[in-house]
Amino acid sequence: AQSVTQLGSHVSVSEGALVLLRCNYSSSVPPYLFWYVQYPNQGLQLLLKYTSAATLVKGINGFEAEFKKSETSFHLTKPSAHMRDAAEYFCAVTRPTGRRALTFGSGTRLQVQP
Amino acid sequence: DTEVTQTPKHLVMGMTNKKSLKCEQHMGHRAMYWYKQKAKKPPELMFVYSYEKLSINESVPSRFSPECPNSSLLNLHLHALQPEDSALYLCASSQATGKDTQYFGPGTRLTVL
Repeated sequence: AQSVTQLGSHVSVSEGALVLLRCNYSSSVPPYLFWYVQYPNQGLQLLLKYTSAATLVKGINGFEAEFKKSETSFHLTKPSAHMRDAAEYFCAVTRPTGRRALTFGSGTRLQVQP
Repeated sequence: DTEVTQTPKHLVMGMTNKKSLKCEQHMGHRAMYWYKQKAKKPPELMFVYSYEKLSINESVPSRFSPECPNSSLLNLHLHALQPEDSALYLCASSQATGKDTQYFGPGTRLTVL
């Protein structure tokens, strides 16, 4: 079975600072990996996804993530945080074959301080 | 258009009521999903429909009954719910299952009294 672990349930950064949200995966087969963002009282929006093409994936709103097989990681970064980035971020994994349904990590709440 | 719509936005029901949640997409997607999300928790998969057939049921209690009348619509029928079923219910759709992006609706906030 596949799973993801998000390190840090809360991350606080200053506006303009680097954002780093950590995600490690566990999967018996090469996984597909996703980052979603959820603003208060809203559904989830895809930021980016890795589906075995380029290991450095660029997404919306200036976010990117790098798939590192040796570290089983898929950390999300953004060079400069904006106040509007404050939200809940979920890493998710699915298999390329067989049971293809998303399994989410526990989430990381990003706070951006002025 | 990458919109998934859900109605109602909010629903309050008693434990003896019967109600339904509705989800609609017009992106031509052939996979649709129901998730349950408790406060400060990640979404948990409930059901997956692929080509209008139920493909995954995550051992959800029978008081939740999904229905996929056609490729654009997904319903979740609720009956005899418990207070612990109060949550945000999210619908999503994707081209197919697997690596395809799932597009989420805004959710229905359900309160069971």
